[in-house]
Amino acid sequence: KQEVTQIPAALSVPEGENLVLNCSFTDSAIYNLQWFRQDPGKGLTSLLLIQSSQREQTSGRLNASLDKSSGRSTLYIAASQPGDSATYLCAVPYKDTDKLIFGTGTRLQVFP
Amino acid sequence: SAVISQKPSRDICQRGTSLTIQCQVDSQVTMMFWYRQQPGQSLTLIATANQGSEATYESGFVIDKFPISRPNLTFSTLTVSNMSPEDSSIYLCSVSPSSTANTGELFFGEGSRLTVL
Repeated sequence: KQEVTQIPAALSVPEGENLVLNCSFTDSAIYNLQWFRQDPGKGLTSLLLIQSSQREQTSGRLNASLDKSSGRSTLYIAASQPGDSATYLCAVPYKDTDKLIFGTGTRLQVFP
Repeated sequence: SAVISQKPSRDICQRGTSLTIQCQVDSQVTMMFWYRQQPGQSLTLIATANQGSEATYESGFVIDKFPISRPNLTFSTLTVSNMSPEDSSIYLCSVSPSSTANTGELFFGEGSRLTVL
């Protein structure tokens, strides 16, 4: 059974720091991995999608890497800003479907 | 991408009543899903909304409690029936625009925040 874990569970940093959020999954036979952002009480915003054949994806200050063999993905946030404060979730599809299994989330707070 | 509208965005309901949540997508999509996010928790899949047929429910979720409709490729509803305080959650609609499974991004609505008193 696929299990997805994220560490740390919470992170509080001053503005300007570079951050690394971690996502681990127990079954390496994934088709892709997606990172989402969730603001309090809101829905999810898709940040990055990495296909299983890719090693990394970049969007602005965000860079996500994928190492299938070790069952890990990292989300790197450069030069963090207070507007980055949110919960970050990673998710992988269940087998060959579009049903997602979500990680436990990392709650990020960036203070001025 | 896909733009997803959910209604209501939030509601406060009385125990024993039912509430229907609507999900409208701005384009035809292959797959639609309903998730639940309980307070302080991550997301759990309730069911896959199948167009023109009965929804496919995940373990722990049943049709009598969470009836789902999907009359066309752009619209779905989730009803939370006979509500109790344990049903207080954010309910989220998700869609996959891709015609091929597990190849594209999944998109989510803004969620419907339900509080049951």
